[in-house]
Amino acid sequence: DAGVIQSPRHEVTEMGQEVTLRCKPISGHDYLFWYRQTMMRGLELLIYFNNNVPIDDSGMPEDRFSAKMPNASFSTLKIQPSEPRDSAVYFCASSLRQWEQYFGPGTRLTVT
Amino acid sequence: ILNVEQSPQSLHVQEGDSTNFTCSFPSSNFYALHWYRWETAKSPEALFVMTLNGDEKKKGRISATLNTKEGYSYLYIKGSQPEDSATYLCAFSINAGNMLTFGGGTRLMVKP
Repeated sequence: DAGVIQSPRHEVTEMGQEVTLRCKPISGHDYLFWYRQTMMRGLELLIYFNNNVPIDDSGMPEDRFSAKMPNASFSTLKIQPSEPRDSAVYFCASSLRQWEQYFGPGTRLTVT
Repeated sequence: ILNVEQSPQSLHVQEGDSTNFTCSFPSSNFYALHWYRWETAKSPEALFVMTLNGDEKKKGRISATLNTKEGYSYLYIKGSQPEDSATYLCAFSINAGNMLTFGGGTRLMVKP
């Protein structure tokens, strides 16, 4: 398996634009997680899905953030409109049940 | 709010030294404790997942122990090598949903 795949790897956008981050989990994994890494807050969970259903989105910062998982092999994290404070590295991870999580390479987002 | 604390925040050792770090977590409602290794410019990589009090896991020169009654886990590295330089994260979950709360990490630097 190729591991967790994220795209794009880097995204630079202007404030106010819509940003969509994509993730393909490892085949057969039933959990998918979206994390954000910042210097100030470290690695924080935004939302996670179990069998494509959102379970906990309490980490999503505000209504500008939304995430979907239309099928077992694809998820998106959307920010609309984007703001400079959204600049961070966004990781997607997947796992099989409660075991170790496998992280993707991350998307480095810069909002100017 | 779950508080996961790691100490020390950073550690500089010489090649060949053995070292250990601590992860403290709430001892109530424990489900699992994860350790991850995170090299600069890469994504976190799972080392261990432990669920039972007294668990000990080993992978090469790295090992970990778990005490759920008092709420701590130790990670040991025997004979540190420069390639062990990374940030070591622990994460804690309270249920089978695998929703992890991460500590701030211990940054290890091994000098040749």
